[in-house]
Amino acid sequence: EPEVTQTPSHQVTQMGQEVILRCVPISNHLYFYWYRQILGQKVEFLVSFYNNEISEKSEIFDDQFSVERPDGSNFTLKIRSTKLEDSAMYFCASTPGGRTQYFGPGTRLLVL
Amino acid sequence: GNSVTQMEGPVTLSEEAFLTINCTYTATGYPSLFWYVQYPGEGLQLLLKATKADDKGSNKGFEATYRKETTSFHLEKGSVQVSDSAVYFCALSMGTSYGKLTFGQGTILTVHP
Repeated sequence: EPEVTQTPSHQVTQMGQEVILRCVPISNHLYFYWYRQILGQKVEFLVSFYNNEISEKSEIFDDQFSVERPDGSNFTLKIRSTKLEDSAMYFCASTPGGRTQYFGPGTRLLVL
Repeated sequence: GNSVTQMEGPVTLSEEAFLTINCTYTATGYPSLFWYVQYPGEGLQLLLKATKADDKGSNKGFEATYRKETTSFHLEKGSVQVSDSAVYFCALSMGTSYGKLTFGQGTILTVHP
């Protein structure tokens, strides 16, 4: 069964460094998402992406964040200058167009 | 704005016990409602969903009924197994078919033999 994959599974970085989190959505899906979960808190929506542009973003998704679909398979989240409070589990999700979203296993980001 | 509230956790049960995890929502309009499950070390998996009032979603022995009058979508299972130990998330989405999910805080379920 097709699934969403994410790399790396864990990432440790120093504050102020740039990180890129990678996702490979399911191949025939058209809508892509990033969510994050800070330890002990809710899963929060960051951004949705369709037809090579952002369709919606949350207040969390400020100028430090960007998303890109550089080729036909990858979907990336870049954090330009990481802060301590960016430490979280980041989930990628995709959907062909219905309301059911399919999630990847997540990348645990730790900012020191 | 829209929001989802789940019962406080964690929940610890013995095998074959009855499970209820409460979920209530606040939304303007008519959301679709979901339960996602996260097993240790894995991503979020859709467990069940309901898209309109009085719909019942079911999967793997779990059930939840969309109750518009009480704005609830409680998850139930008649007899839990050790393998059901996981984190359960209630969520909603609004409007368009590609709308974002709004999650509850998650409930950790541990089932002992």
